[in-house]
Amino acid sequence: GAVVSQHPSWVICKSGTSVKIECRSLDFQATTMFWYRQFPKQSLMLMATSNEGSKATYEQGVEKDKFLINHASLTLSTLTVTSAHPEDSSFYICSAPTKGANYGYTFGSGTRLTVV
Amino acid sequence: QQQVKQSPQSLIVQKGGISIINCAYENTAFDYFPWYQQFPGKGPALLIAIRPDVSEKKEGRFTISFNKSAKQFSLHIMDSQPGDSATYFCAASHSDYKLSFGAGTTVTVRA
Repeated sequence: GAVVSQHPSWVICKSGTSVKIECRSLDFQATTMFWYRQFPKQSLMLMATSNEGSKATYEQGVEKDKFLINHASLTLSTLTVTSAHPEDSSFYICSAPTKGANYGYTFGSGTRLTVV
Repeated sequence: QQQVKQSPQSLIVQKGGISIINCAYENTAFDYFPWYQQFPGKGPALLIAIRPDVSEKKEGRFTISFNKSAKQFSLHIMDSQPGDSATYFCAASHSDYKLSFGAGTTVTVRA
């Protein structure tokens, strides 16, 4: 089945630095990638939608200059958290829809970001 | 505004018992209703999904019941096992557009 590989699985960074998270579709072409953030004991909140070759669409309240999304190819989408602060510490998850009449969604395994 | 409302927030069930989680939605354009299981520190994994042309779908111990007129769907976990202890999320979408998630239900199965 469709697999999305997400790296790294966890990262610790210092305040003010930037962190890049990668999501790769391994056996299908992901023209769209959804990026979610999940705080402890909460649901997944959609941050943005990236489409290959075009600008990402951000949800209301999400700073596009802070969370840079790049979808340069059909198999790779990246999320860069710029000038990270402790409040950015969270669990970040990507997801790609699998196209077709019986469409579904494949999720990455998530990245635990801790900003110290 | 949450498009999918999920209840209960948490539940405790004895081993071998039945766990029931309910979800309700408003958007009649939704045509895909999945349930995800998530363990701590892991991404959500698809458990079972249903489309509105059927009223029930069963896969092993997991069953989705779907009521289109009431705009409700539920997950039943039969013969609950300690390994089923996890957080469960219902969700909904239309076409292959973004998923709307419920708030989640933490299920604890006592041995």
